[in-house]
Amino acid sequence: DIQMTQSPSTLSASIGDRVTITCRASQSINSWLAWYQQKPGKAPKLLIYKASNLESGVPSRFSGSESGTEFTLTISSLQPDDFATYYCQQYNHDSTFGQGTKVEIK
Amino acid sequence: QLQLQESGPGLVRPSETLSLTCSVSGGSISNGGYYWGWVRQPPGKGLEWVGSIYFTGSTYYKWSLGSRLTISVDTSKNQFSLKLTSVTAADTAVYYCARPRPQCSSTSCPFEYWGQGTLVTVSS
Repeated sequence: DIQMTQSPSTLSASIGDRVTITCRASQSINSWLAWYQQKPGKAPKLLIYKASNLESGVPSRFSGSESGTEFTLTISSLQPDDFATYYCQQYNHDSTFGQGTKVEIK
Repeated sequence: QLQLQESGPGLVRPSETLSLTCSVSGGSISNGGYYWGWVRQPPGKGLEWVGSIYFTGSTYYKWSLGSRLTISVDTSKNQFSLKLTSVTAADTAVYYCARPRPQCSSTSCPFEYWGQGTLVTVSS
């Protein structure tokens, strides 16, 4: 299995902050990485696919980037609706999710 | 608008079989060439892909679930189903069915459409 190591597990931030979440793959996944947002009691929502492609309807304050096997989700200016848990998913071989990052109010 | 809805028992006894069905509306399972998937989430924990199925019946399973898992499709009912045998408490989770985003017809894809999820508890 390809392992996805996501960090941090919890992040405290304020409205307007720039937030960065990282996911590292245990081997090359050829940019086949997605990011999701999940709120309590709800299904995950796809934000970004193929490392940096913004899903339709997702605000432009969300962006994704990659450097080798390290992938980053950035929220440029945190909004009240963004407090949630975020997961990365590799889909290069099978599918594996990161452990999640909970973004909390500071 | 595509909608997915999971259904099945909320409580299963240890060593028995967990059975869930995903009903699809607003679109046909037979169109688009997608591998429809199941993802589960133990309470308070992260997401785990379980397996996926094509409308032809071709399946793709998480290897660690091995022979316990069977996913099937019924195109006449526009449904696909999951059966997991010999369940233990570790199989307690919210189970989601999901469809990949467009233009992704491989066995591994990001999921765009999700059901609301159904909690299955394994307990005696």
